[in-house]
Amino acid sequence: EAGVTQFPSHSVIEKGQTVTLRCDPISGHDNLYWYRRVMGKEIKFLLHFVKESKQDESGMPNNRFLAERTGGTYSTLKVQPAELEDSGVYFCASSRRQGAGANVLTFGAGSRLTVL
Amino acid sequence: SQQGEEDPQALSIQEGENATMNCSYKTSINNLQWYRQNSGRGLVHLILIRSNEREKHSGRLRVTLDTSKKSSSLLITASRAADTASYFCGPLTGANNLFFGTGTRLTVIP
Repeated sequence: EAGVTQFPSHSVIEKGQTVTLRCDPISGHDNLYWYRRVMGKEIKFLLHFVKESKQDESGMPNNRFLAERTGGTYSTLKVQPAELEDSGVYFCASSRRQGAGANVLTFGAGSRLTVL
Repeated sequence: SQQGEEDPQALSIQEGENATMNCSYKTSINNLQWYRQNSGRGLVHLILIRSNEREKHSGRLRVTLDTSKKSSSLLITASRAADTASYFCGPLTGANNLFFGTGTRLTVIP
């Protein structure tokens, strides 16, 4: 099966601009997660979708971040307007909800965001 | 905090030696998972241990879980240079979320 795909792999924007990150999970994976890693720090949980519904968005930093998963397939994470502290690597992961391998995450390669 | 906290932050060993890294967490869990991250890539799942299990093996990996102490350990035996990576533990909460810490950076010297 195809893995989790993230786009773009790297984005460099200026403070105040908008960036949209996209994640295509593994087909059939109802769970979709977004994480962020700032260099040297923890891999921070941002939010969790179950199909198209936000199960938990307690990790979203503030209202400049908007995640969507229309139709329960791919997801987007928009940062608007971007600030310097938003720089980091954004990881997407997906998993099955039931059956073999349930709740075992498959990660994408990440989208590196640099805000200047 | 619901995240796993890995210890030590960094570990450097010679090829062939064993590597042990530890994880502590604070919440009730359904299971605990260990992942590896090679530089510049996403995390890769290594092994899962359920809350009612105490020890699990997979190849050169051995994981233990002590739910009374809310801790886990990952042992990599006969390490190889290719094991050089960062290792993260993820306690799976009742809401089916995984929370990771800062990881243990393992360097295996050839």
